[in-house]
Amino acid sequence: DTGVSQNPRHKITKRGQNVTFRCDPISEHNRLYWYRQTLGQGPEFLTYFQNEAQLEKSRLLSDRFSAERPKGSFSTLEIQRTEQGDSAMYLCASSLSGDYTDTQYFGPGTRLTVL
Amino acid sequence: AQSVTQPDIHITVSEGASLELRCNYSYGATPYLFWYVQSPGQGLQLLLKYFSGDTLVQGIKGFEAEFKRSQSSFNLRKPSVHWSDAAEYFCAVGEQDYGGSQGNLIFGKGTKLSVKP
Repeated sequence: DTGVSQNPRHKITKRGQNVTFRCDPISEHNRLYWYRQTLGQGPEFLTYFQNEAQLEKSRLLSDRFSAERPKGSFSTLEIQRTEQGDSAMYLCASSLSGDYTDTQYFGPGTRLTVL
Repeated sequence: AQSVTQPDIHITVSEGASLELRCNYSYGATPYLFWYVQSPGQGLQLLLKYFSGDTLVQGIKGFEAEFKRSQSSFNLRKPSVHWSDAAEYFCAVGEQDYGGSQGNLIFGKGTKLSVKP
C-alpha cells in the first residue's frame, strides 16, 4: 500500500525565487488537500481538489500561491516570489470520496526554508 | 468561526502512567472530530475519529476519546503510556462543504507528549 508521497522533502530557496512542490496521493483517492504548518502550530488548510476541480481556497492562499491537479492524480503547489514568511511545512493529504466519514491520509510534508 | 483549542502545549508523563490530552472545539453544527499523531519526520497519522453514535471512540495503539457535547470536548486518553507514544498530538474538527461531504480540517495547535522512563 503506497501512501501519500511528497517531493521534495526539503527545499531551501532565496527570497524572491519561485518554488514548486509535488504531491502524489494514494491511487484512486479523488480528494486532495494542501495544508501549511508553521512551527508550534497545527496544520492550516490552504486548498482542496475533487478530481481536477479546485473546490475551495483559504484566504491564506494569496495570489502568489497556485495549486493544480491537472489530471486528477498528482498535484503541484507553486509559490511565486517567495517571502521569509512562507517558510513552513507544506502537507498534502488525500481521501477516497470526500464523504464526511472519510479519513484524510497525510504525506510526510515538504519543509520550505526561505532565506 | 470554528476553532479547536488544545490547552496543554507540552505534557510529560512517566512510562506506564495514564494519559489524558484535552481538546475543546467550537462548531455550530454536529462536529466531526479527529485525533492525529505526528512523529518527527513523519506525516500525520489518524488515531481515531468521531462522527455520531457512541460517544466513546476506540482508536489505534490503545487510544480512546470521549465526545462530550455539553462540554464541547473531545479528550484523548490512554491507560498506560509507552515510550513510543512520545510525539505531537493534534485534535481537529472537520468542516462540511457545500455538498455535505467532508471539507477541510481545522486543527488545534497540538500537544507535545514526552515520556519519562
